[in-house]
Amino acid sequence: RKEVEQDPGPFNVPEGATVAFNCTYSNSASQSFFWYRQDCRKEPKLLMSVYSSGNEDGRFTAQLNRASQYISLLIRDSKLSDSATYLCVVKGKGGSYIPTFGRGTSLIVHP
Amino acid sequence: DAMVIQNPRYQVTQFGKPVTLSCSQTLNHNVMYWYQQKSSQAPKLLFHYYDKDFNNEADTPDNFQSRRPNTSFCFLDIRSPGLGDAAMYLCATSRIPTGGSTDTQYFGPGTRLTVL
Repeated sequence: RKEVEQDPGPFNVPEGATVAFNCTYSNSASQSFFWYRQDCRKEPKLLMSVYSSGNEDGRFTAQLNRASQYISLLIRDSKLSDSATYLCVVKGKGGSYIPTFGRGTSLIVHP
Repeated sequence: DAMVIQNPRYQVTQFGKPVTLSCSQTLNHNVMYWYQQKSSQAPKLLFHYYDKDFNNEADTPDNFQSRRPNTSFCFLDIRSPGLGDAAMYLCATSRIPTGGSTDTQYFGPGTRLTVL
């Protein structure tokens, strides 16, 4: 089993739709969780950290489920500009600061 | 206001011809990372520096080397590029504060390497 797994997609949704991605991680000792956004041929950029209590930033909501070892990202009212790859990042395996990246989930928002 | 700068943005080299990619940062972060990313794949960590300490990933080929002459700069040397080394090379930094808790990573814009 891979350390961090994501459905690569692509997820094709119309503008205004709500879409959710999940990411599972294998090591229960993981401490920190993040969602990054990566546009085509660009670098990853931090979208949001994922806290145990869940967190929301505008149209974006991130949740952590430690019992089932997954994190989720919910995007409401999708915009064309949300089209990108969303990378799940997990840190802290065994106290390590080294992040582990998922391969990303591709989102395509169409008119 | 660029915080992590990579040069060049695009690099074309010939098979077997050494190439050096550079990364500089204005964040004064103590950790610098080099990643290789191929299309539709996750960034793959090649190595990182924690201050001056070099940490190589077990599966990083010997063909890849790195130097960090000071806090601000880090270089990736590919001694004999092969066709399979064509990829985006991403530099990232983070600050590991005392106590070992983690901080987020900041990425440079990447260098896209083409091997002819």
